[in-house]
Amino acid sequence: ELKVEQNPLFLSMQEGKNYTIYCNYSTTSDRLYWYRQDPGKSLESLFVLLSNGAVKQEGRLMASLDTKARLSTLHITAAVHDLSATYFCAGDTGTASKLTFGTGTRLQVTL
Amino acid sequence: KAGVTQTPRYLIKTRGQQVTLSCSPISGHRSVSWYQQTPGQGLQFLFEYFSETQRNKGNFPGRFSGRQFSNSRSEMNVSTLELGDSALYLCASKGGTGGLETQYFGPGTRLLVL
Repeated sequence: ELKVEQNPLFLSMQEGKNYTIYCNYSTTSDRLYWYRQDPGKSLESLFVLLSNGAVKQEGRLMASLDTKARLSTLHITAAVHDLSATYFCAGDTGTASKLTFGTGTRLQVTL
Repeated sequence: KAGVTQTPRYLIKTRGQQVTLSCSPISGHRSVSWYQQTPGQGLQFLFEYFSETQRNKGNFPGRFSGRQFSNSRSEMNVSTLELGDSALYLCASKGGTGGLETQYFGPGTRLLVL
């Protein structure tokens, strides 16, 4: 059974700083996803990572995948307040229809 | 393309009642999955429907059921509601190609059981 762990659970960072969120998973995952959730809102898809060494970037966010270490990272560069949200990673074991989510990382960017 | 829609957005029920939630996937998407989100348990997979058939099921009691119609719209039903069923229920439809399939989530139905 796939298990997904994220850390940290909560991250308070100043604007302009860099930080990384870590996502470890327990068994082979066919894909690794990153989602963003604003308070009271739904989940917004950020990245889908498929293969070892995959790196994707969108704005100040960059996600990478190391399948050998069963580790994905979400790196935040020069944080801005608009990035404040909860970030989830998730894995799947086949059909991309049954996702197993991590606990989420609540990111708070302060001035 | 319109996104995933869910109705109703908010619902208040009392213990013992039953509830039906509805989800319309993105046009052309045939797979619909349901998730429950609570502060204590996080995001948990309920079930997935594809071509009117349940293809995957999570670890929830039989009080939670669903179905899918020929137009891919899906409903989930919770019978004999318990206080612990209070949650945000999210529906997602699957799309994408080349192995990069992903799930696109609707706005959710927030259910409060009193």
